[in-house]
Amino acid sequence: QKEVEQNSGPLSVPEGAIASLNCTYSDRGSQSFFWYRQYSGKSPELIMSIYSNGDKEDGRFTAQLNKASQYVSLLIRDSQPSDSATYLCAVNRENYGGSQGNLIFGKGTKLSVKP
Amino acid sequence: KAGVTQTPRYLIKTRGQQVTLSCSPISGHRSVSWYQQTPGQGLQFLFEYFSETQRNKGNFPGRFSGRQFSNSRSEMNVSTLELGDSALYLCASSAWTGAGNTIYFGEGSWLTVV
Repeated sequence: QKEVEQNSGPLSVPEGAIASLNCTYSDRGSQSFFWYRQYSGKSPELIMSIYSNGDKEDGRFTAQLNKASQYVSLLIRDSQPSDSATYLCAVNRENYGGSQGNLIFGKGTKLSVKP
Repeated sequence: KAGVTQTPRYLIKTRGQQVTLSCSPISGHRSVSWYQQTPGQGLQFLFEYFSETQRNKGNFPGRFSGRQFSNSRSEMNVSTLELGDSALYLCASSAWTGAGNTIYFGEGSWLTVV
């Protein structure tokens, strides 16, 4: 069983729509969860981090975490063509000051926002 | 505030050679991790250093090594390069926010082994 699973896509949405990206993980001991955006040929850029159950909103982005279901999602409202990228979900068993531990990444979901 | 800085950005090496990559974390960050990204395997954890000590290590052969200096700057070394080592090597630094660690990546070093 893969540790972090994401639908590889591509996920295609029209401009202005809501894009919904999903991620499941296998380690129940996971403590911290991240969404990164990666444009082709570039490095991952942190979009959201979430550590407790529920929703966390930042601008057009909302991360949702459900530890009981081992599920984390990212919603992108009012999607723009510039949001077209690969979105990587990452989970970490560590969550304490100092050591960042090691992130386990999914393979990513490719999002395409059509004008 | 400067981000995570990696050098060199691009390099080409020959099989059997060795390579050293450098990473300067965000000022104040003491934890540095290294990752390898390839199209087939995705992003994979290599190792983490915190206060000059290796805290975690991924499942890579001993040809991959690293170290961290007292100023938190880190280097990773790959000896006896193989074609399969061609990849994007990413450095990440992190800081404790009170709720959790926030982890940022540098722009990466693109390594091509020929």
